[in-house]
Amino acid sequence: DQQVKQNSPSLSVQEGRISILNCDYTNSMFDYFLWYKKYPAEGPTFLISISSIKDKNEDGRFTVFLNKSAKHLSLHIVPSQPGDSAVYFCAALPWVIQGAQKLVFGQGTRLTINP
Amino acid sequence: NAGVTQTPKFQVLKTGQSMTLQCAQDMNHEYMSWYRQDPGMGLRLIHYSVGAGITDQGEVPNGYNVSRSTTEDFPLRLLSAAPSQTSVYFCASNLGGGRDTEAFFGQGTRLTVV
Repeated sequence: DQQVKQNSPSLSVQEGRISILNCDYTNSMFDYFLWYKKYPAEGPTFLISISSIKDKNEDGRFTVFLNKSAKHLSLHIVPSQPGDSAVYFCAALPWVIQGAQKLVFGQGTRLTINP
Repeated sequence: NAGVTQTPKFQVLKTGQSMTLQCAQDMNHEYMSWYRQDPGMGLRLIHYSVGAGITDQGEVPNGYNVSRSTTEDFPLRLLSAAPSQTSVYFCASNLGGGRDTEAFFGQGTRLTVV
């Protein structure tokens, strides 16, 4: 059973506009969430994260929003640039006393930025 | 800066063959892990290690073995390859297991079992 779900396999956005990628989770034990970006033939790279004690985290053009009651998070990219075209993975970490970073990933969303 | 290096990049195996996927990191990271990526499934954790000599199972460990004799290396062994193990494999390392430590991934190994 998929505990982290990205229901949109793909998204196409005009350059300069806002890209919004969505992610839902089912496990109430998740308390830390991350977004990774992946280009073809490369490994995922860390983009931004958010702790469950926050509802928003911003880093330059990237903002992640967390709605705990809805078990939903979203990644906003403003403005979108051609180099943002990639697959974006949402990931979650469960609360544990001592960390082993056992990431649980969503299926990924392929974002295409059109000029 | 090499980061996380995986070899080979591509491999074709016959059912029943064994092989080892290599992973090495030069960042002196304590925590290392192996994931597999399948279409429509995202990445799933196979095994992980919190330091030399310490390993544990992830979500999908069956058919795979790991060991961690040094901080730098974390090989993944397929004992008897099956078509269900056709996948892209990613190795990752973190400075620690803490949630605020960034995971660095290798470029991946694309494995096909025929």
